[in-house]
Amino acid sequence: DVVMTQTPVSMSVSLGGQVSISCRSSQSLVHNNGNTYLSWYIQKPSQSPQLLIYKVSNRFSGISDRFSGSGSGTDFTLKISRVEPDDLGVYYCGQGTQYPLTFGSGTKLEIK
Amino acid sequence: VQLVESGGGLVQPGKSLKLSCSASGFTFSSYGMHWIRQAPGKGLDWVAYISSSSGTVYADAVKGRFTISRDNAKNTLYLQLNSLKSEDTAIYYCAKTGHTYPDYWGQGVMVTVSS
Repeated sequence: DVVMTQTPVSMSVSLGGQVSISCRSSQSLVHNNGNTYLSWYIQKPSQSPQLLIYKVSNRFSGISDRFSGSGSGTDFTLKISRVEPDDLGVYYCGQGTQYPLTFGSGTKLEIK
Repeated sequence: VQLVESGGGLVQPGKSLKLSCSASGFTFSSYGMHWIRQAPGKGLDWVAYISSSSGTVYADAVKGRFTISRDNAKNTLYLQLNSLKSEDTAIYYCAKTGHTYPDYWGQGVMVTVSS
């Protein structure tokens, strides 16, 4: 199984600031078809997860351009700029390149 | 897109439960669907996938005990949970697949396995 390792476990940021979350996979996430199925999700308090980014760097429908994804192979990053109060929650990376699908253990974002 | 799970509850170890996920807002029959669970205070744990043509894949932890199925006429996804264990206690989410990754998620349904 592909192991997804996220860092940091938690972080605190001031409103208007910028954060970066790292996600590393134990194997390359490049699919046989050439796509890289790395996604980012946010789970706000008491809510279900919501898709933010898919295929490394594509923002999902309705997602602000304050969220950006980058990376390749086994190393990926989610950046959040101009942090707003609604950004608090737990962020997960996930891979869809091979079954079983696996997720990182999450990064909890708190607002200072 | 709207996904609404139902059928959760408290069940004894070794017993069975069937979850449903009612889908609307998209052409259900054209998309694969996932079940993903989250134990209390824990992270996300993928459970099973069913393709638009009803091919299935399972996590090792549930293989042989859980069965994913779909009824395209009813726009409904199912998860039959048999031989339940305490470690199956979790919120169970159904999710539509974007390509291979889950995109839209339901609100989840709680399953508690306890005597």
